[in-house]
Amino acid sequence: GAGVSQSPRYKVAKRGQDVALRCDPISGHVSLFWYQQALGQGPEFLTYFQNEAQLDKSGLPSDRFFAERPEGSVSTLKIQRTQQEDSAVYLCASSFGTSRVGRYTFGSGTRLTVV
Amino acid sequence: AQSVSQHNHHVILSEAASLELGCNYSYGGTVNLFWYVQYPGQHLQLLLKYFSGDPLVKGIKGFEAEFIKSKFSFNLRKPSVQWSDTAEYFCAVKREYGNKLVFGAGTILRVKS
Repeated sequence: GAGVSQSPRYKVAKRGQDVALRCDPISGHVSLFWYQQALGQGPEFLTYFQNEAQLDKSGLPSDRFFAERPEGSVSTLKIQRTQQEDSAVYLCASSFGTSRVGRYTFGSGTRLTVV
Repeated sequence: AQSVSQHNHHVILSEAASLELGCNYSYGGTVNLFWYVQYPGQHLQLLLKYFSGDPLVKGIKGFEAEFIKSKFSFNLRKPSVQWSDTAEYFCAVKREYGNKLVFGAGTILRVKS
């Protein structure tokens, strides 16, 4: 497609439930990023993939967060045993080149609300 | 750790007023600098970026930004705003060979018609 597609757009989860958020990057884009944006804040880096390799996961807040990109295209961010502080918009971004290029296209995000 | 500070969280201007949004960062090495905009209901879009060369960068829709290395600043400017510039603006910094963008908290701009 023409842009980065994320699904679902909205997700309400009960505390303790597991969720999976999907990102379809622009076809051919090598780099893929996940960011978390809490209300009233800027996006915060979670993790970075170059093709199928997860090169940086330093921003994942706990071991409840897990991301994968098994075939180097679609990526899934999984959150286990969700907690209220996980409520945020989760943004995916992709880039044709490596992270050094810096030209990112963002998706519209998934708004996760944990109740 | 890197951090990015945006000076104003909310700015309200009348149409045709001039705009300047402040951005300061705290990393001493070589950086790449970005301004992103998020219009209501839309995704983040790149306004402009600085990698090297002329420190005065021109972006889309009449926006420009000036990189002042000695002040660790990358302020966004527009001489005359329009109602359609109502949006949230984010400054972001990346280390030259780093992976991640570090964003400021954002500035919500409302332009009154």
